[in-house]
Amino acid sequence: GDSVTQMEGPVTLSEEAFLTINCTYTATGYPSLFWYVQYPGEGLQLLLKATKADDKGSNKGFEATYRKETTSFHLEKGSVQVSDSAVYFCALSDNTGGFKTIFGAGTRLFVKA
Amino acid sequence: EPEVTQTPSHQVTQMGQEVILRCVPISNHLYFYWYRQILGQKVEFLVSFYNNEISEKSEIFDDQFSVERPDGSNFTLKIRSTKLEDSAMYFCASTDSFNEKLFFGSGTQLSVL
Repeated sequence: GDSVTQMEGPVTLSEEAFLTINCTYTATGYPSLFWYVQYPGEGLQLLLKATKADDKGSNKGFEATYRKETTSFHLEKGSVQVSDSAVYFCALSDNTGGFKTIFGAGTRLFVKA
Repeated sequence: EPEVTQTPSHQVTQMGQEVILRCVPISNHLYFYWYRQILGQKVEFLVSFYNNEISEKSEIFDDQFSVERPDGSNFTLKIRSTKLEDSAMYFCASTDSFNEKLFFGSGTQLSVL
């Protein structure tokens, strides 16, 4: 079945450091790919998305490119801020056989001032 | 921005009791979902619902679980006989189109004693 694998955390960085969180997926169809972010005590909210191969999603300085050949959707940001501290979830949406969006295990990011 | 509303925010129940978790999705959305998250970890898919029927469900969603859209606005998750391992944060989500972003509620923290 479909699955999403992302790097384990926590990831601890200093402010202004470069961030990469790896995500790979397995899917039977042609999924859409997403990154969601969860701040403490809140629900998940969309950070960015890409719907087809080679699409790049971007938002608030974060970027991810849909790579079909490597089945990856790695999240990057050039310069993190303390306010970026949160849990980041990679997800895929697939309608093969039914509608569902499944999530990776989440990667907790701590950014130190 | 429109919101998904979940009630109650916290629910404490005794093992073996029935609980109903309530959600009001965004009004023009057509696809509805329940997820759960244990101890801030992986977000697990439970069920998706479209056109008044279940679209897809996970192995977690056994005979003890049911969903209902009793009127045009509410979407409920019922657990018939709760177990200790059902303790989790339950999130409702909705979207207007599959493969598009999900809008999440703030969650109901269920504690089974």
